[in-house]
Amino acid sequence: QVQLVQSGAEVKKPGASVKVSCKTSGYIFTTYPIHWVRQAPGQRLEWMGWINAGSGNTKYSQKFQGRVTITRDTSASTAYMDLSSLSLEDTAVYYCARWNSGCDSWGQGTLVTVSP
Amino acid sequence: EIVLTQSPGTLSLSPGERATLSCRASQTLSRNSLVWYQQIPGQAPRLLIYGASSRAPGIPDRFSGSGSGTDFTLTISRLEPEDIAVYYCQQYANSPLNFGGGTTVEIK
Repeated sequence: QVQLVQSGAEVKKPGASVKVSCKTSGYIFTTYPIHWVRQAPGQRLEWMGWINAGSGNTKYSQKFQGRVTITRDTSASTAYMDLSSLSLEDTAVYYCARWNSGCDSWGQGTLVTVSP
Repeated sequence: EIVLTQSPGTLSLSPGERATLSCRASQTLSRNSLVWYQQIPGQAPRLLIYGASSRAPGIPDRFSGSGSGTDFTLTISRLEPEDIAVYYCQQYANSPLNFGGGTTVEIK
């Protein structure tokens, strides 16, 4: 079965960077894009960007342009999301998801807490 | 960018009642590029509907999607207690792939 397993919770200081991993299994990794979505406490889902897992091409929301980098390692069937210059407003649960006419499989989420 | 407005913000219904959730886009969505998700508190979202009206695999047939252009609807024909959740629409016609603000469905 399709599974996406994310790395564990992180606590970071303002100005730092965080890198979240998303290890996939149960399907051919390069066949489907991976999207990243975050959700701040009590807030709506917020789309951050996606990567074509085959080509490595990426597209980011302009809101995060310059701060977010999505990469992948095809040999490990794993995608990564790197967010830099963290502020308190970046405290959120970060999700990776496989795109198949919609995000049809999701990781469990990674809580990133930014605290002074 | 395309803005999605969902209404109502909260829907309080009794089990067995029909729930009608609305999602309005600020621009026409080409090829009905809209999906619906269900998010139970503390869990990741679950894909319900893609292409505005196609049910995702394993989704009960009490969930249906309809609409085109700028106006879309998710209908739960007979509300079950396990349907208590927040429902989000998302468009994928243009980047950024924005989500709506969500509709909370609660049991009266």
